[in-house]
Amino acid sequence: GENVEQHPSTLSVQEGDSAVIKCTYSDSASNYFPWYKQELGKRPQLIIDIRSNVGEKKDQRIAVTLNKTAKHFSLHITETQPEDSAVYFCAASRGGGADGLTFGKGTHLIIQP
Amino acid sequence: EAQVTQNPRYLITVTGKKLTVTCSQNMNHEYMSWYRQDPGLGLRQIYYSMNVEVTDKGDVPEGYKVSRKEKRNFPLILESPSPNQTSLYFCASGEAPGAFFGQGTRLTVV
Repeated sequence: GENVEQHPSTLSVQEGDSAVIKCTYSDSASNYFPWYKQELGKRPQLIIDIRSNVGEKKDQRIAVTLNKTAKHFSLHITETQPEDSAVYFCAASRGGGADGLTFGKGTHLIIQP
Repeated sequence: EAQVTQNPRYLITVTGKKLTVTCSQNMNHEYMSWYRQDPGLGLRQIYYSMNVEVTDKGDVPEGYKVSRKEKRNFPLILESPSPNQTSLYFCASGEAPGAFFGQGTRLTVV
């Protein structure tokens, strides 16, 4: 089955700086890669996703890049703000999700004022 | 308002006593799924369903059952709960997997 590794487990950055979280996956057939943000005590929230026919996708301060050859994808957050503090999860799925979703173990992002 | 609704939000039960956690969505989504979240292990998929009467096992299906008799509902059934099923459970729906999560059900099995 699919295995998703996520790094780092904790990331502390100064407010205004950029943050990058990286994930690798094992199944070359995986083709859908969502990212989630989970604030303390709340439900996960889908913030951006990318499919394998696209190399990069941006949404305001958030971007995701995908390298199919190396089987890794990354979340980039620019101009970080205090409200970006949360746990972020990556995930991977085959068939656009038709074969289920496997998550990384999460990254605790801390924005230092 | 578009939402995924789980019930109950909190449940304490005893080992072996069958229970059902309900999940309902009002967005006409075909894809629904169940996850459990445990400290240090993150989110793990239990079961998912691509459409009515179609269900598939996720990464940790042991000890759980699901059914998808109608599009809007996807209940999670624990026939004989055990303490290792103590966890935070999330239901989700969407056109893509995990697009909208429910508010979560915190289950404790004693």
